[in-house]
Amino acid sequence: AQSVTQLGSHVSVSEGALVLLRCNYSSSVPPYLFWYVQYPNQGLQLLLKYTSAATLVKGINGFEAEFKKSETSFHLTKPSAHMSDAAEYFCAVSSPNAGNNRKLIWGLGTSLAVNP
Amino acid sequence: GAVVSQHPSWVICKSGTSVKIECRSLDFQATTMFWYRQFPKQSLMLMATSNEGSKATYEQGVEKDKFLINHASLTLSTLTVTSAHPEDSSFYICSALLAGAADTQYFGPGTRLTVL
Repeated sequence: AQSVTQLGSHVSVSEGALVLLRCNYSSSVPPYLFWYVQYPNQGLQLLLKYTSAATLVKGINGFEAEFKKSETSFHLTKPSAHMSDAAEYFCAVSSPNAGNNRKLIWGLGTSLAVNP
Repeated sequence: GAVVSQHPSWVICKSGTSVKIECRSLDFQATTMFWYRQFPKQSLMLMATSNEGSKATYEQGVEKDKFLINHASLTLSTLTVTSAHPEDSSFYICSALLAGAADTQYFGPGTRLTVL
């Protein structure tokens, strides 16, 4: 069975500092991996996804994530945090072999606070 | 591209009434849509998978007679909360599956339901 662990339910950084949000997954097959962002009272927006191509994935708003198979990780980073990055971030995994069962398995989310 | 809308964005209803929420994929066809429920400060809870032209698949513990799902076209799925009670108050989010690379889910903006 697949699972996702997001280490740190709350992360606080200063504006301009590095953002690092951690995601580890468990999967018996090479997975598809996703990062979504949710702003208050809104739906989720896709930041980036890993689909077994390049291991370093660049997304929107300056975010990127690196797939590390040996560490079963897909951590999200951004070199310099902006105040507008304050939001909830979710990591999710699905299986390329899911067929009709294309459900996403979700992490519990990480709340990012950016301090001025 | 890959825009998903939800209507209404918020609704207040009296206990015992039914509420219908619409989810539309605006610029792509979606044979599969998903309905989620989200409690404050929590991750998404998958309620059901909606497949165009067939019955929805409900997750364990979700009452199918209470949460009626209809996916009558490739761009529209509806969730009807029947005989709503205060405990049904929540944030409901839909997503539409963009088939192809990684079968990515694109999310609607959510519907805030408050049952008095």
